[in-house]
Amino acid sequence: DAGVTQSPTHLIKTRGQQVTLRCSPKSGHDTVSWYQQALGQGPQFIFQYYEEEERQRGNFPDRFSGHQFPNYSSELNVNALLLGDSALYLCASSLALGNEKLFFGSGTQLSVL
Amino acid sequence: DQQVKQNSPSLSVQEGRISILNCDYTNSMFDYFLWYKKYPAEGPTFLISISSIKDKNEDGRFTVFLNKSAKHLSLHIVPSQPGDSAVYFCAASRLEGAQKLVFGQGTRLTINP
Repeated sequence: DAGVTQSPTHLIKTRGQQVTLRCSPKSGHDTVSWYQQALGQGPQFIFQYYEEEERQRGNFPDRFSGHQFPNYSSELNVNALLLGDSALYLCASSLALGNEKLFFGSGTQLSVL
Repeated sequence: DQQVKQNSPSLSVQEGRISILNCDYTNSMFDYFLWYKKYPAEGPTFLISISSIKDKNEDGRFTVFLNKSAKHLSLHIVPSQPGDSAVYFCAASRLEGAQKLVFGQGTRLTINP
């Protein structure tokens, strides 16, 4: 039973570019959330997707957008990259109904030069 | 505005002794609290949780204590083992099963043989 899988594992971009990160949730899960973890900090909630719609959003600018597909997988898009966007991006999945805890992927390490 | 704080960036404990990790929060709307453990190059994994209606929850070597009046929780690990060496994150949410978790900055626990 595969857990949460994310791709790529590492990515290097330059300022102003755009990036797309991908996530496949744990088997049986229907909800995906994205978190940003800056160096030395805890993960910070970006947004949650359920039934292909954004349901909740944290304090992130519109440059951060996402998508959820019918198979529950998800993408995180970041436009006009800034140096401060360098971080570990974590995807987490769960069931929308019930009290199941979040399962996290290993993340995508994004470096913006 | 850091709503969840872990004031100790690191903690070193001898194998077999008790490890105590602390966490403070400011938002009285938080109703559910979790601890996640993170190894390098892996995503955070759920460890233990507690609802605000309880003051203690135990699971094997791990016990979480909640003091609502002080807005403080702690994780006790007894006895500590080398495999417990990891970064521990405290997290809070407004209800059990919520996708949006607010994390502390983490405490790096090192268990010395």
